[in-house]
Amino acid sequence: EDKVVQSPLSLVVHEGDTVTLNCSYEVTNFRSLLWYKQEKKAPTFLFMLTSSGIEKKSGRLSSILDKKELFSILNITATQTGDSAVYLCAVENNAGNMLTFGGGTRLMVKP
Amino acid sequence: DGGITQSPKYLFRKEGQNVTLSCEQNLNHDAMYWYRQDPGQGLRLIYYSQIVNDFQKGDIAEGYSVSREKKESFPLTVTSAQKNPTAFYLCASSPPGYNYEQYFGPGTRLTVT
Repeated sequence: EDKVVQSPLSLVVHEGDTVTLNCSYEVTNFRSLLWYKQEKKAPTFLFMLTSSGIEKKSGRLSSILDKKELFSILNITATQTGDSAVYLCAVENNAGNMLTFGGGTRLMVKP
Repeated sequence: DGGITQSPKYLFRKEGQNVTLSCEQNLNHDAMYWYRQDPGQGLRLIYYSQIVNDFQKGDIAEGYSVSREKKESFPLTVTSAQKNPTAFYLCASSPPGYNYEQYFGPGTRLTVT
């Protein structure tokens, strides 16, 4: 059974801090790892990672995958209150038809 | 406007009743998905459908049923056999070949008492 574990469960920081969110996984037929941001209702897609060691970057957010150690990190630099959300990690299997989600990390950024 | 709609936003039912949650998309996506989210937890896949008239069980299909008679629509029925139906239900769709790029609806919060 595919498994995705995220840590920490929740995190409270102040604006301007840098945070690192972790995602480890066990999947039989790995295809890709995905990060989503869920604010109020629907998650929005952030990154897709397929290759080890190649950083994906979007503004203050960046993410990298380690396929040997089976984990990914999501970094957010210079955090803002608008970054407050639940961040979800998911893995896609090789058949490409299912995503397995982790439990999420709830980030709160205080002014 | 293209997108995914779910209705209703909030739904209340008595225990023992079946209830159907609506999910419609006009994005011309082939694949559609239903997830369940419980407080403080991630998304768990209930059912998914890659094409019309075909669907597959996800990780927690017991107590749920779906149909996919039209490309645009993927309704989910929460049956009385579902032991703990109170949850937030999210529907998603994805374009062909891009199952990772899932577009989510706004969700339906179901409360069963």
